[in-house]
This record gives sequence, C-alpha cells and structure tokens, in this order.
Amino acid sequence: GQQLNQSPQSMFIQEGEDVSMNCTSSSIFNTWLWYKQDPGEGPVLLIALYKAGELTSNGRLTAQFGITRKDSFLNISASIPSDVGIYFCAGQGGSQGNLIFGKGTKLSVKP
Amino acid sequence: DAGITQSPRHKVTETGTPVTLRCHQTENHRYMYWYRQDPGHGLRLIHYSYGVKDTDKGEVSDGYSVSRSKTEDFLLTLESATSSQTSVYFCAIRTGLSYTFGSGTRLTVV
Repeated sequence: GQQLNQSPQSMFIQEGEDVSMNCTSSSIFNTWLWYKQDPGEGPVLLIALYKAGELTSNGRLTAQFGITRKDSFLNISASIPSDVGIYFCAGQGGSQGNLIFGKGTKLSVKP
Repeated sequence: DAGITQSPRHKVTETGTPVTLRCHQTENHRYMYWYRQDPGHGLRLIHYSYGVKDTDKGEVSDGYSVSRSKTEDFLLTLESATSSQTSVYFCAIRTGLSYTFGSGTRLTVV
C-alpha cells in the first residue's frame, strides 16, 4: 500500500534555531497536510496544501507541496519551547480518499 | 470547532475482558476513523466508517470490531483484550479535506 517516509524521526534543537522536516512517497498525493500533536492530546492541523508547488505559511511555519506531488516539507523558524511535540505529515490518496500518515517527527527544544 | 469527544479518556482492563471505546461527534460528518498510536509506529488505522452501518478495515484491524448504528457514534470494541492492545486510541472525523482528532483514550491491558 501507499506509504509516507517522514524524516527525521526526532530532533533536539536549541531555542531560536530553525527546523526542517520532510515527507516523501513513491505515490502521488493530491493533498498534503501537516499536523502537530502536543503531549496527551490528539493531532491538530497546522497547514493544508492542495496544489503542486504551493508554498503556504502560518506564522513561523512554512510548508510546501512538492512539484512532483510526491513530497512535502515543513519549516519552523526561530523555534520556541512550545513548538515541542510530534509533527505528522499526511497525504490524501488512500482508498475512499483516506489520509495516509507519516510516522512523525518528535521535536524537542532546549531553552 | 468540530465537536468530537472520546470516552473514556483512560481505562485499565484485564487481559481477556471485552472493552468498548466510544467516539461521539456533533456535526453529522460522514467519515469516522479509529487509530492507535504506539511509539515508533505513528498513527495506524484500525477501522473506518463511511456511513451508518458502513465500515471497513484498516491496516491493524485484527482483534478489533466496530459499529456505527447512528451517524454521531462510532464504537470500537476489543472482544478479548490482550497486552499488545495497550495503546493510545484516537478517533477522527473527516472535515472537508482534512481530519479532526479527538483527545484520545489511553488503554492499558494488564
């Protein structure tokens, strides 16, 4: 079945640093989504991308839908302690239009 | 706010007992999903529903069953809980082109 490869698996960074993570797939997706999960909570949608090549920002977050439709990246600029959590990418392409999720990137930020 | 609630939030149960988790939504969304989350595995789809009485299996459906007799409720049942089913379970609803997740149920099977 379709799979998403998300990397890195985890990151330990200093407050103020920029962060980059990405997802790749061997399959084409029509939609890419990025979620963040805070400890003890469910994932929450950060950014949605609907067109190949689309670059979208949400505050300090920027995400891009790869031109080949097989990848996406998420950048976080000037990280702060509340950025800590697990970030998931998701692509729409499963049966019935279901989302396929990456395994997540766990972000730790040192003050 | 998509109005999705899961119950219970925490549960400890013994091996071999049946367990039912409930997901309730307030906005008549057609698609509902059950995932489990385990370290190193991310979110894995157990079952999903695309309407009342319409359900299908996900990638890790063995040992689980679901029912959807009303639009607003999607139930996940572990017929005979095993220690390998200790996990955090998330329900989600499809809202437009994305999903909205509940806050999760932490299940421990001892």
